[in-house]
Amino acid sequence: AQSVTQPDIHITVSEGASLELRCNYSYGATPYLFWYVQSPGQGLQLLLKYFSGDTLVQGIKGFEAEFKRSQSSFNLRKPSVHWSDAAEYFCAVGNTGGFKTIFGAGTRLFVKA
Amino acid sequence: GAVVSQHPSRVICKSGTSVKIECRSLDFQATTMFWYRQFPKQSLMLMATSNEGSKATYEQGVEKDKFLINHASLTLSTLTVTSAHPEDSSFYICSATRQGSTDTQYFGPGTRLTVL
Repeated sequence: AQSVTQPDIHITVSEGASLELRCNYSYGATPYLFWYVQSPGQGLQLLLKYFSGDTLVQGIKGFEAEFKRSQSSFNLRKPSVHWSDAAEYFCAVGNTGGFKTIFGAGTRLFVKA
Repeated sequence: GAVVSQHPSRVICKSGTSVKIECRSLDFQATTMFWYRQFPKQSLMLMATSNEGSKATYEQGVEKDKFLINHASLTLSTLTVTSAHPEDSSFYICSATRQGSTDTQYFGPGTRLTVL
């Protein structure tokens, strides 16, 4: 079955500290992987995506993610978190055409001063 | 580029009435549009997929007669919640893929529906 697991419901980090949000997937074909961010009451903004090629993907706002096929993971990282990064983060897996994109349950990031 | 808008952003209606939500791709032609529903503190649940000029494809468990989707042009899709009830209260989000780049969905800002 196709699925996306985000093991952490919420994470709290100090401003300036590094961040890693975990994402594991189960997908029958070669996956297209995405990370989105959602601020309260807002839609989703694409942070980055992986389709093929270099397994370390750079995104907007200083985020990066690494695709590890052997671990079926696509973890999101940021070296130094800013207070404005506090939001809900969703990992998603899909295929070409956007059809049947499956979203993880999300990880809520809290940033403390 | 790749901006998707939704209107209204927030709507409150009485039980039994119908509500229409618009999803527009402002600066591109959308090959396909998707409608999602998001419950509080939960992930997105795909409701239906629509292509311009054809009938929407609904996900299992989604009532097509209750959630009417019309995709009349390459830049506009509408979701009408008919005979709304309090349990239909939710956050509805649309997304669109653009012609020539169908791998990425661009999301609208969402519509908060509250049924009294």
